[in-house]
Amino acid sequence: SAVISQKPSRDICQRGTSLTIQCQVDSQVTMMFWYRQQPGQSLTLIATANQGSEATYESGFVIDKFPISRPNLTFSTLTVSNMSPEDSSIYLCSVLGQGAGEQYFGPGTRLTVT
Amino acid sequence: RKEVEQDPGPFNVPEGATVAFNCTYSNSASQSFFWYRQDCRKEPKLLMSVYSSGNEDGRFTAQLNRASQYISLLIRDSKLSDSATYLCVVNSMEYGNKLVFGAGTILRVKS
Repeated sequence: SAVISQKPSRDICQRGTSLTIQCQVDSQVTMMFWYRQQPGQSLTLIATANQGSEATYESGFVIDKFPISRPNLTFSTLTVSNMSPEDSSIYLCSVLGQGAGEQYFGPGTRLTVT
Repeated sequence: RKEVEQDPGPFNVPEGATVAFNCTYSNSASQSFFWYRQDCRKEPKLLMSVYSSGNEDGRFTAQLNRASQYISLLIRDSKLSDSATYLCVVNSMEYGNKLVFGAGTILRVKS
């Protein structure tokens, strides 16, 4: 299985600022995914990040708010822009596993916006 | 209607009990089904895939009923370490590699 790390593990940010979250994988992967998990809720996919192309965003998420970079096959960043308290959440990156539909997740970044 | 719906929790059971979780999905084109486990303040991890014929992994049994669009997870002889949130997850070709997660069912096993 892939080993995935995220930075930062947690942060407390002020309203109106931006935070960039990094995701590093120990092997080359084609697709990386970014999810949000709001308090007490399940995971919602934000976007799929493919190396060398624009990220594909899910309904309700836009590039201006959540710009994503994917400079190579082992790394991606998600920026949460112009934050508001509603952005307080856990943000997780993931990669595909061996089996169909299997994904491995990073440990998550716990963001609190005050 | 949510794409994946699960039993409301939490389930509070004594050690050794048998507990069953149910899940329904709305997209009949869904092709792959999974149970993930998420411990408190941790990331989700794949517990097991769910196959049409049903499958068992130790104390865990997963079943799929495509006609009813229903998935279940049975845990026998519950252990304290089984306490977690169990997420029902589906995938289909029209989703690409996107996974759709249920809201999860919390299990608390008590001594």
